[in-house]
Amino acid sequence: EDKVVQSPLSLVVHEGDTVTLNCSYEVTNFRSLLWYKQEKKAPTFLFMLTSSGIEKKSGRLSSILDKKELFSILNITATQTGDSAIYLCAVEASMVLSGGYNKLIFGAGTRLAVHP
Amino acid sequence: DADVTQTPRNRITKTGKRIMLECSQTKGHDRMYWYRQDPGLGLRLIYYSFDVKDINKGEISDGYSVSRQAQAKFSLSLESAIPNQTALYFCATAVSGANVLTFGAGSRLTVL
Repeated sequence: EDKVVQSPLSLVVHEGDTVTLNCSYEVTNFRSLLWYKQEKKAPTFLFMLTSSGIEKKSGRLSSILDKKELFSILNITATQTGDSAIYLCAVEASMVLSGGYNKLIFGAGTRLAVHP
Repeated sequence: DADVTQTPRNRITKTGKRIMLECSQTKGHDRMYWYRQDPGLGLRLIYYSFDVKDINKGEISDGYSVSRQAQAKFSLSLESAIPNQTALYFCATAVSGANVLTFGAGSRLTVL
């Protein structure tokens, strides 16, 4: 059965700390891995990763994928209170049926709290 | 205005009542989805639609139905709500062939 496991489930840090969030997966027919940030509103897209070893970066956030070891990490440097959110990892898997739908399997999320 | 709008944002109802959650989008996306989110679980797909005449069941469709009234509108119905349908429900959209979802802000449903 396809599964995506995120760790830790929750994390409390202070402003300025660096955090690493983990996402491991066991998925048949892997296509891509996506990271979303969920605050008290709509989850918003952060990164999509398809190739191993290529870092995606946006400001203080970066992410990398290891397709051999089946995991991804999301790094946040110099954390700010505005980084407090649930971070969702999702893996896209190709499906043979139902014309064009590639299944997205979500992890349970990591809840990050950044304190001043 | 939000690209994907969900109504209501919060709803409390009683067991056995019929509930409709509505979703409208201004993205012009063909694909629309309904997910539910429960604490400790990942987002799970209820139904998805690739165009107005296309409706497909997701992994947890029992107890739910949907209607795609127009390209921009996709509603989710609970014909007879039960307490274990208490959850946060998200509507999402995507461009055909793409895997990046645009989410609505969520509808929190409580069934007593």
